[in-house]
Amino acid sequence: GENVEQHPSTLSVQEGDSAVIKCTYSDSASNYFPWYKQELGKGPQLIIDIRSNVGEKKDQRIAVTLNKTAKHFSLHITETQPEDSAVYFCAASLQEYGNKLVFGAGTILRVKS
Amino acid sequence: NAGVMQNPRHLVRRRGQEARLRCSPMKGHSHVYWYRQLPEEGLKFMVYLQKENIIDESGMPKERFSAEFPKEGPSILRIQQVVRGDSAAYFCASSPNNGYTFGSGTRLTVV
Repeated sequence: GENVEQHPSTLSVQEGDSAVIKCTYSDSASNYFPWYKQELGKGPQLIIDIRSNVGEKKDQRIAVTLNKTAKHFSLHITETQPEDSAVYFCAASLQEYGNKLVFGAGTILRVKS
Repeated sequence: NAGVMQNPRHLVRRRGQEARLRCSPMKGHSHVYWYRQLPEEGLKFMVYLQKENIIDESGMPKERFSAEFPKEGPSILRIQQVVRGDSAAYFCASSPNNGYTFGSGTRLTVV
């Protein structure tokens, strides 16, 4: 079955700097890769996703890149702000609905002001 | 347009009791997924249901855990004879389109 590895487990950056979180997956059949942000005591919130027919997607300060050949994808946050501090999870699935998500272990992002 | 609703938010049970967790999907969504999150860990898939059908239960423990999504009413995750190791946050997500939307979770504490 699918296995998703996520690095780093913790990341501290200065406000205004960029943050990069990387994930690798094992199942070449996976086609949908969402990223979730989880704040303390809350459920995961989808922040961006990418499908396998796209190499990069951007939404304001957040971007995701996908390399299907190497089976890895990354989250990029630019101009980080204190409110970006949270736990970020990557996930992989066969498609964007109708299949389970396999999650990475998470990255604790701390943005220092 | 309410999101995915889970209740209760917090649940305390003594060892050996039963826990019932409820999930109402977003309006128009007929697919429900349950995930478990142990402290300081990622989310692990448990079960995927459509109305009146279990589609994938590959992540469900073989004993004491069951799930249903009846024709009317919320999806229920039921844990019988709870043990301390069942203490976790249980999240429900729904779809069918535009990805998966998660609820705020039920935090189960077994004492």
